[in-house]
Amino acid sequence: TQLLEQSPQFLSIQEGENLTVYCNSSSVFSSLQWYRQEPGEGPVLLVTVVTGGEVKKLKRLTFQFGDARKDSSLHVTAAQPGDTGLYLCADQTGANNLFFGTGTRLTVIP
Amino acid sequence: EAQVTQNPRYLITVTGKKLTVTCSQNMNHEYMSWYRQDPGLGLRQIYYSMNVEVTDKGDVPEGYKVSRKEKRNFPLILESPSPNQTSLYFCASSNGDTIYFGEGSWLTVV
Repeated sequence: TQLLEQSPQFLSIQEGENLTVYCNSSSVFSSLQWYRQEPGEGPVLLVTVVTGGEVKKLKRLTFQFGDARKDSSLHVTAAQPGDTGLYLCADQTGANNLFFGTGTRLTVIP
Repeated sequence: EAQVTQNPRYLITVTGKKLTVTCSQNMNHEYMSWYRQDPGLGLRQIYYSMNVEVTDKGDVPEGYKVSRKEKRNFPLILESPSPNQTSLYFCASSNGDTIYFGEGSWLTVV
């Protein structure tokens, strides 16, 4: 059974600071996705990475996929209160199937 | 507007009283699924459907039933709810690439 570990579990930072959160898998990802979930809402897809070593940027968010396709990081530059939420990594193992990590809960303090 | 709609959003019920959580999508997606989200455990897939009349078990199917009689609807049925089914439930639909989540249904079984 695949294990997806995310760290840290909780992170509280001041507005303007940078941060990095991590996702590590016990097995190779089929297709890695990052989601953000805000209170009272469902997860929303941020990015999909498939190729080892791939780097994708989404405004102030930078996603890196490890060469061995077993780990990933999400770096946020100059965090803003609107970045507050639960960040989830997931392995998309099928068209309809996601296996999620337990998430990193980020709070950005104004 | 693309939507996955769940009802009810909030429900408190008693042990053993059958209930159904409805899910409807307006994107003509073939793929639909149900997840539950619990503290420390993340989101786990309950059941999924690849098309009308095609359903399959996810990672935690015990105590749940589903049906897919038409493409847009995928109800989740709890025949005899128990307190360990208290959770936040999400319906999702997919075009095979991006998975869209509903806003969630908070279910408490007492």
